[in-house]
Amino acid sequence: DGGITQSPKYLFRKEGQNVTLSCEQNLNHDAMYWYRQDPGQGLRLIYYSQIVNDFQKGDIAEGYSVSREKKESFPLTVTSAQKNPTAFYLCASSGRTEQFFGPGTRLTVL
Amino acid sequence: DQQVKQNSPSLSVQEGRISILNCDYTNSMFDYFLWYKKYPAEGPTFLISISSIKDKNEDGRFTVFLNKSAKHLSLHIVPSQPGDSAVYFCAASERSGGSNYKLTFGKGTLLTVNP
Repeated sequence: DGGITQSPKYLFRKEGQNVTLSCEQNLNHDAMYWYRQDPGQGLRLIYYSQIVNDFQKGDIAEGYSVSREKKESFPLTVTSAQKNPTAFYLCASSGRTEQFFGPGTRLTVL
Repeated sequence: DQQVKQNSPSLSVQEGRISILNCDYTNSMFDYFLWYKKYPAEGPTFLISISSIKDKNEDGRFTVFLNKSAKHLSLHIVPSQPGDSAVYFCAASERSGGSNYKLTFGKGTLLTVNP
């Protein structure tokens, strides 16, 4: 089946630790995206990549980093510099039509 | 500054009736609009889209209307079903600028369809 996978579904980390969220797609899409969702805030764009080895900051990139070494993979690292990392993180990919979303990862920083 | 606005945080309708979800935008460069549906703790799923060259697009029970002069679009669901209860996000993009399909989302409207 074609789709987007994010792992794990739930993730807990201690404050001050970096954590990497996984996103893999087998849709052969060039573009991939990372969003975070907070209650009442909708979806806010963190980073996006339109092609391998290239990525751009979104609206709320501070405290996050990404890499795009393979077309299928777009991991997101939440660093200790992110002041409020607890959120629901969504990965998406797109070809020439709409974006398709993964199931999300709920990150809780204790 | 919010470029895509969904001014109603929630909407409650009776099963079988029409649900109308509204969305306003401020960026006149937006030329492609989408609606997504989202259940709690899941990723959004695409519902329907419309290009700025059209004023209406229909897919089964879902119809999206676009009023470019008012910078307003709406999603109509007829008839509404309890399974339609979810958060609905409006999104917009500037496609005429090339291959950038970056989306700007509204904050969402929680639709509750009562049996």
